[in-house]
Amino acid sequence: EVQLVQSGAEVKKPGESLKISCKGSGYSFTSYWIGWVRQMPGKGLEWMGIIYPGDSDTRYSPSFQGQVTISADKSISTAYLQWSSLKASDTAMYYCARRQYSGSYYGGFDYWGQGTLVTVSS
Amino acid sequence: SYELTQPPSVSVSPGQTARITCSADALPKQYAYWYQQKPGQAPVLVIYKDSERPSGIPERFSGSSSGTTVTLTISGVQAEDEADYYCQSADSSGTYGVFGGGTKLTVL
Repeated sequence: EVQLVQSGAEVKKPGESLKISCKGSGYSFTSYWIGWVRQMPGKGLEWMGIIYPGDSDTRYSPSFQGQVTISADKSISTAYLQWSSLKASDTAMYYCARRQYSGSYYGGFDYWGQGTLVTVSS
Repeated sequence: SYELTQPPSVSVSPGQTARITCSADALPKQYAYWYQQKPGQAPVLVIYKDSERPSGIPERFSGSSSGTTVTLTISGVQAEDEADYYCQSADSSGTYGVFGGGTKLTVL
């Protein structure tokens, strides 16, 4: 069974750093792109960026380029999303999701993590 | 930046047909995907490649494409279909993805 299990909720202060994780299981982790999606409170989905764990090829939406870093450790089948200096506006639910097709950048997201709620408040 | 445009809300009575549109210039060149999201849950893929339905998705969900607009159609809407629906595609060069603003489907 394909599963993406994300790390737990975080409460941070502005200016702090953070790295959240997404562990894949039940499939070949290195063969499928993994994307990150933001959902701010009461708002819609936003495509942040995507990584291919096989070679760490990473693409970012222009809106998120330079704001976050996406990485992966294929040895433990885990993708990451990190911030070096959080802002209150980073408060949101963050989802990881797997691309549909092995090896392909294109496609929908067929499996999703349960989401990680990040709260940034002083 | 590239945008997909959806109506904020659509309302239908049970048993009727709901149509949710998504418009953008690059849609003739890039496939569209549709997701259903219920409160407190992660999104679920309901249509891929404009009109294909994943296994396990009811047949009442269908998708179509015409020019710069793609449409999600839910035939014989049921109360359980009440949710937010998002289209997703890519910019014209396929470099990055983008979601539409979402449509809240209300079943009256």
